[in-house]
Amino acid sequence: DVKVTQSSRYLVKRTGEKVFLECVQDMDHENMFWYRQDPGLGLRLIYFSYDVKMKEKGDIPEGYSVSREKKERFSLILESASTNQTSMYLCASSLGGTNTGELFFGEGSRLTVL
Amino acid sequence: KQEVTQIPAALSVPEGENLVLNCSFTDSAIYNLQWFRQDPGKGLTSLLLIQSSQREQTSGRLNASLDKSSGRSTLYIAASQPGDSATYLCAVEGNAGNMLTFGGGTRLMVKP
Repeated sequence: DVKVTQSSRYLVKRTGEKVFLECVQDMDHENMFWYRQDPGLGLRLIYFSYDVKMKEKGDIPEGYSVSREKKERFSLILESASTNQTSMYLCASSLGGTNTGELFFGEGSRLTVL
Repeated sequence: KQEVTQIPAALSVPEGENLVLNCSFTDSAIYNLQWFRQDPGKGLTSLLLIQSSQREQTSGRLNASLDKSSGRSTLYIAASQPGDSATYLCAVEGNAGNMLTFGGGTRLMVKP
């Protein structure tokens, strides 16, 4: 079975702090994604990566950056956290190719910014 | 821009009922459609994926159908159980690739 692991389930940070959210997948997937999920707004794509060191902006990249130095790991970075970034963050991966295909999600990281 | 709608937003049924969840999308030029399940506070679990060339997919008590021309998909759950209680989301991938559009989900409660 594919396993997508998000390192932190719950985080509480202060405004202005730098925040790292880590995601690791163990199935040699090419594609990795970061979403945020908010009540009433659903899931929105922040960034995705289809290869090591490659990244593409999603629908809401502002205030975020990503890093993919190794195939299995995809990190989401909040350079200066703000209260409007309080949310559930979901990492996902898929096999690869031009299209996304079947998506496998991690358990999520609930971030609260005070 | 693709829009995906799931109605109703919430549904409560007694155990044992067969039920249908609906998903509609505005742009029929899709590559595939996926159904997911999400338990409270958790990530999403893929249930079924239907390619654009397929009409339906089945897994156990679940059956998903796809009608591209009318922009609709349904998820049929047979003999519902309390363990089926969760939020069910559909997501559509367009032909441009690598971007899924999610519906808002249907929150299902199956009462014993």
